[in-house]
Order: sequence, then C-alpha cells, then structure tokens
Amino acid sequence: DGGITQSPKYLFRKEGQNVTLSCEQNLNHDAMYWYRQDPGQGLRLIYYSQIVNDFQKGDIAEGYSVSREKKESFPLTVTSAQKNPTAFYLCAISHRRGEAFFGQGTRLTVV
Amino acid sequence: GENVEQHPSTLSVQEGDSAVIKCTYSDSASNYFPWYKQELGKGPQLIIDIRSNVGEKKDQRIAVTLNKTAKHFSLHITETQPEDSAVYFCAQQGGSEKLVFGKGTKLTVNP
Repeated sequence: DGGITQSPKYLFRKEGQNVTLSCEQNLNHDAMYWYRQDPGQGLRLIYYSQIVNDFQKGDIAEGYSVSREKKESFPLTVTSAQKNPTAFYLCAISHRRGEAFFGQGTRLTVV
Repeated sequence: GENVEQHPSTLSVQEGDSAVIKCTYSDSASNYFPWYKQELGKGPQLIIDIRSNVGEKKDQRIAVTLNKTAKHFSLHITETQPEDSAVYFCAQQGGSEKLVFGKGTKLTVNP
C-alpha cells in the first residue's frame, strides 16, 4: 500500500443512492487514479488527476464523479447514473517517473 | 491510441518450472513498462518495471525483457513456487502519463 489508504474496504449501496469512496495518500505524489476491476476485464481507468483542482476522464467515466481539492485526497462518487456499480474499485498514486502504487481496494455491492 | 494486449489469460505450471507472460503495445511513445502482481482481494503490487532505454532487467527469480522494435515486453519467472500463484498485469505508460493495463494473466503454480 505504501502510504495510500482506501476506505471503506466493503461498501453496500441501495439502488438510486450515491456513494463516495475515499482515497488518501501521504507520499506527496502528484498523480492519483481511480480504476474499476471486474472479473476478466482487467483494470479500467475511471478518472485521473495530475494536479490539484484538475482531473480528466478515463475510459469509463460515465456515472462517476471526482474532486481534487487537496493533494492528499481524491474521492470518487458513484452516482445513481452508474447502472452497474458492483465492482472492485482501486485507487492508485504515482509520481512523474511512473511507478504507481495501489491501495487495497473497496468492494462495492448494490443491494 | 494506447492499447495493451496480454497473453495468455491463464497459465498453469508445475512448481520449479518457468512461466512467461507476454504483452504487446501499440503506442510508439510508450517509455515505461511495469508489471504488477495481484493476490485475491488485494490491490496490485508492483514487482518489476523497465524503461525504454533498457532491454532487460532482472530481480532474483523475476526478469522483464523489452523489444521496442517489435513493441512487446515479457515477464519471466524462474523456479516458480506456489506463492507465485496470482494474477499478473502488464502496463505501459506513454506521452499522456496515464498507465494502460493489460487484462491480466492468472498464474497457477501446482505443487
């Protein structure tokens, strides 16, 4: 994990609700990423941010939103517009040399 | 665009044998190629990486080779052990500085 903390580890959401996943880091890295992992799909990029107050959409941004108000924090909100939110969500951080470090993930389940 | 193909999707070997996983990429601007190991229910861990100015890198039983002309890179694990069983992901980083991942290889090492 190397100084990156995701919470909670497990999260349950009722249909129609928004939920927010937390990602915090204390390594002073500039770049932060959110990935979604489904069985057999590998890691798909949702959003990424390379600097405070700026972020870009990844390959599957629809139904998700993020903010980067502080360098240490990059929360991901799964909105009610995301029709199939059940998945394993991974946050990662990296510095400009490229090495990326992942958190331990949040498993989100719709009930 | 940025795309990474990873093969095979599953690999089963006997303890003590070698395992090889191959990835090909399309972005000629790619300059950083990491490999990650993911154990069940955990986030991926960086195990080895290589940059475009190097053809091979070794760390104990793990090695990575890079062929920039052919646009492929490979992970080699020698003297495999049961604890090597996991899902392995390759990735590449190019001009956009975001990491693009392969779909993963599930390695099983049979005792």
